[in-house]
Amino acid sequence: TQLLEQSPQFLSIQEGENLTVYCNSSSVFSSLQWYRQEPGEGPVLLVTVVTGGEVKKLKRLTFQFGDARKDSSLHITAAQPGDTGLYLCAGNMRFGAGTRLTVKP
Amino acid sequence: DVKVTQSSRYLVKRTGEKVFLECVQDMDHENMFWYRQDPGLGLRLIYFSYDVKMKEKGDIPEGYSVSREKKERFSLILESASTNQTSMYLCASSSLSGTRVYNEQFFGPGTRLTVL
Repeated sequence: TQLLEQSPQFLSIQEGENLTVYCNSSSVFSSLQWYRQEPGEGPVLLVTVVTGGEVKKLKRLTFQFGDARKDSSLHITAAQPGDTGLYLCAGNMRFGAGTRLTVKP
Repeated sequence: DVKVTQSSRYLVKRTGEKVFLECVQDMDHENMFWYRQDPGLGLRLIYFSYDVKMKEKGDIPEGYSVSREKKERFSLILESASTNQTSMYLCASSSLSGTRVYNEQFFGPGTRLTVL
């Protein structure tokens, strides 16, 4: 089983701060996905990264896929309360445990 | 609007009961999945199916079975529910690419099952 480890597990910050969350594995993935899940709902896809070294931007969110395609990061600039949620990385049908982000106004 | 629907949002059952969780997708996707989600453990894959009547075990299939008689419907069956099967159950679907890269998954809202 390909394990995906996410860090930190919990993150609580003030509105306007920047943050980075990580997704690491010892396995190589052909692609990794990032999802966001809100309470009582299923995860919703944010982005898929495919090429080693790839950087994708989605408004204030920047996603990077490691050169060796074993890890990925998600950076949020100027976090807002609406960014609050559980951020999950996934590859080959497997999911990390997630980072629970709370952004306080 | 594409959708994955699950038969119940909340379900309470007793130990030993047979439980059916139903999932329907309207996107004509080949792949369908069942996960359970527990705090601190993330989503764990129970079973998946890449075609009608086809099924593959995931990482935690013990105590579960599945059925896929139609392309749009994937059922999860708990043969004899136990308290350690209390969890959030999530169904997902995805399309099948030619390279077998598993594409983005679309999730249903989940069924929170409590086994007493």
